[in-house]
Parts: sequence; C-alpha cells; structure tokens
Amino acid sequence: ETGVTQTPRHLVMGMTNKKSLKCEQHLGHNAMYWYKQSAKKPLELMFVYNFKEQTENNSVPSRFSPECPNSSHLFLHLHTLQPEDSALYLCASSQDVRGGTEAFFGQGTRLTVV
Amino acid sequence: KQEVTQIPAALSVPEGENLVLNCSFTDSAIYNLQWFRQDPGKGLTSLLLIQSSQREQTSGRLNASLDKSSGRSTLYIAASQPGDSATYLCAGWYSGGGADGLTFGKGTHLIIQP
Repeated sequence: ETGVTQTPRHLVMGMTNKKSLKCEQHLGHNAMYWYKQSAKKPLELMFVYNFKEQTENNSVPSRFSPECPNSSHLFLHLHTLQPEDSALYLCASSQDVRGGTEAFFGQGTRLTVV
Repeated sequence: KQEVTQIPAALSVPEGENLVLNCSFTDSAIYNLQWFRQDPGKGLTSLLLIQSSQREQTSGRLNASLDKSSGRSTLYIAASQPGDSATYLCAGWYSGGGADGLTFGKGTHLIIQP
C-alpha cells in the first residue's frame, strides 16, 4: 500500500454541494498538509497540521474546512465552492513540520466544480 | 515572501543526453530543498532531498546540488531515457516567519525523445 493515499481520485460537484476529501498516511508521520495545484501556477500550501493541531492556514477561504482527527488522517471538507476552485488537491505528510525531513505526497484528488 | 523559480519551463531533448534543470530561490534561510517528479494527472514523487548542511545528493542517474549562498539548486540527469519524461518540481522548505511547508516552483516540463 502506498505511503499516502487520497480518496476519491476524481470528484465533480455542484456549487451547492458538500463533499469531503480524505487523506491517510501509513508512514508514521506527525505532520500533514493540504496543497492546491491549479493550471500554470505553483503548488499552493493551504493547511498544515502537526500532531493533529493546525499550525497554518494560508489565507484559505472558509468554504474549505480541514479536519485532522489523528496524525494519520486528514480531511478537507468542501461546501459552496466556486468554479475557480477546480484543481488538483494534494495531500502530503512528513515526520515533522520543522523542515529537514522529506515530504511525501498522495496521488491527489482532481476536483471539478460545475 | 519566499519564491522559487525554475528554468527552463520546458525542455525537449533526444534520448541519451545529459541535462541540467535549474532552480533558484529568493531566501537563503532555507532548511532543505526537495526535488520531485510529477507525471500527468498524478501526484508528486520525491526524488532527492538536500539538507541545508549538504551540498549535493545522488540517487542513480540523478544528482542534485544546493548552493545556499547563491540561492541555487540544480538537478542533473545523466543518460536521459524516455521514461524520464515528466514535470520536475523544485521546492524549498522554509521555517519561521512563514508557512511551515514547502514553497514550490512552477516546474520544468521535460520530454525525452526516443
């Protein structure tokens, strides 16, 4: 089983829907991250969790709501999204947030908002 | 604000050539630098991690260097193969005063012609 697993792989949702993205890591890491990858833009850091506590919210709109129930699982709850939120959402984990450790990524969820 | 720049944005070379991908960053207060590979529509695969105290790392046909004083990193690919075709991403890990996560460049889209 891969180190970082994301589900679903693809998601199409209407602007009034509520959906959730799931990420699970099997690496024993303490830090987990959500990134957004849009066309022609660098990956953007959205949220950081360390030992289940949110340490960073990179000015993300409130229609994105993260949840980290334990160090192995991370969710991104979505509601009333806009078409410009369509992107590849990537989850990552690392041993610690304090740099110096290798980050591992999942395969991503391709989100399309219609 | 930290910024990571990758040059060239795209590169197409015949199979067998040795090539160099460039990455520059604006802030020398970097913890480490990580190179990733991304295949179309997929997640990121970690290639090499260079700690701030190191100058280079090698893995198979890949060699990455880091020069903090000049704010540059290079990824050297020896004897390129068609299977090396992908987008290569450079990311710097900064801590303190900013997000505890990776700051990415836009990537170099590499095509190796058979």
